[in-house]
Amino acid sequence: AQSVTQLDSQVPVFEEAPVELRCNYSSSVSVYLFWYVQYPNQGLQLLLKYLSGSTLVKGINGFEAEFNKSQTSFHLRKPSVHISDTAEYFCAVIPRVGFKTIFGAGTRLFVKA
Amino acid sequence: GAVVSQHPSWVICKSGTSVKIECRSLDFQATTMFWYRQFPKQSLMLMATSNEGSKATYEQGVEKDKFLINHASLTLSTLTVTSAHPEDSSFYICSARAAGGPYEQYFGPGTRLTVT
Repeated sequence: AQSVTQLDSQVPVFEEAPVELRCNYSSSVSVYLFWYVQYPNQGLQLLLKYLSGSTLVKGINGFEAEFNKSQTSFHLRKPSVHISDTAEYFCAVIPRVGFKTIFGAGTRLFVKA
Repeated sequence: GAVVSQHPSWVICKSGTSVKIECRSLDFQATTMFWYRQFPKQSLMLMATSNEGSKATYEQGVEKDKFLINHASLTLSTLTVTSAHPEDSSFYICSARAAGGPYEQYFGPGTRLTVT
């Protein structure tokens, strides 16, 4: 079975500051990893994904994430956030031998002026 | 890019009535569609997985007679909430995975259901 833990339920940060949203996963099999963003009253939008290859993945809106197999982590980072980045962020995994997505509980990023 | 639409975006219905939510993949064929329920400030709870032309697979604890899912074509899946009650009020989100395509899911914008 797989599980995803997002270590922070809320992250407040000032505009133009860097931010890191933490995600750890547990799985007995290899997984694919994803980060999604959800704006209020909307569905989820894919930010980035790790399938294989380089462990540093770049996504949309200036976000990037690094896959660390030894620490089973996939933390999301952005060097300088904007007010418009305020949203809920979900880390997710899909087992390579399955198809069901497992979501973390979400992290609320709140960017302050 | 891959777009998934949902209709309606919000609906209010009276207790005891049924409501149907449509999920469409607009520019790709979706062999698999997923239905989620999301409570305020919480993550997505998978309700069921549907494959085109076959019966949906429901997650444990989800009443299949209450939440009817039909995946009639490669671009359309519907969720019908039968005999709705106020506790069914929630945000329902569908997603679709393209046939033979990448592993990520493409999400619809969600449907806000309020049962009065």
